[in-house]
Amino acid sequence: NAGVMQNPRHLVRRRGQEARLRCSPMKGHSHVYWYRQLPEEGLKFMVYLQKENIIDESGMPKERFSAEFPKEGPSILRIQQVVRGDSAAYFCASSDRARGDYGYTFGSGTRLTVV
Amino acid sequence: GQSLEQPSEVTAVEGAIVQINCTYQTSGFYGLSWYQQHDGGAPTFLSYNALDGLEETGRFSSFLSRSDSYGYLLLQELQMKDSASYFCGTSGGSYIPTFGRGTSLIVHP
Repeated sequence: NAGVMQNPRHLVRRRGQEARLRCSPMKGHSHVYWYRQLPEEGLKFMVYLQKENIIDESGMPKERFSAEFPKEGPSILRIQQVVRGDSAAYFCASSDRARGDYGYTFGSGTRLTVV
Repeated sequence: GQSLEQPSEVTAVEGAIVQINCTYQTSGFYGLSWYQQHDGGAPTFLSYNALDGLEETGRFSSFLSRSDSYGYLLLQELQMKDSASYFCGTSGGSYIPTFGRGTSLIVHP
C-alpha cells in the first residue's frame, strides 16, 4: 500500500513562472491537506480538500495560489507567477477521516526553489 | 485561532531521557498529536492524546493535561537516530491540524 506520493521532489522555477505540485493520497483516503514549511519553521496550513471540494482555504494566499482535488487524479497545488518568497517545502497529508485521531500521513514533500 | 509553543531546541546524550513540552491555546480542542521529522524528510506521526494522561508507545510516551493546556513528548533510551525535529499539533473545531514551530532535538554520543 503506497504512502502519500508527491511529485516532483524538487522543482526549480524562475520568477514569474508557474509551479504545479502534485499529491496522490493514500488509497482510500479522501481528505487532503497542504502545508508549507519554510527553513527552520513549522508546518503552516494552507488548504484542506475533499474530492472535488475545497473545505477550508483559510491558510492559502488569495492571489496566485490555487488548489484542486478532482474526482480522478491527484490533488494539485498551483502557484502562478512565482516569486522568491514562494521558495519552501510543500507537504501534503492525507487522512481517511476529518479527525486527526489516528494521525495524518504526510508525503515526502516538494522542495520549490525560485531563482 | 490556535497557537502552540514549544522550545526551539533540546540537547541530550545517548541513552538519556528527554522531555519536549508543548503548550497550546485553541478555540475548540479535540486532541494533541506529535510528529517527528528528520532533515529533508516527511513528518511522521508518533502519537495522539485525546484524554488526560500518559500514552506509551515503546520508547516514546506522550502526556496531556487538558486543564493546563499542556502536553509533552517523552523520549527514553535516546539513540542518535532520534535527532530530528518534533512538532506538536492540535485539531480544533475546524479539524484542521495546526502545528507548533517544532523542537530540534540533538542527541550527542
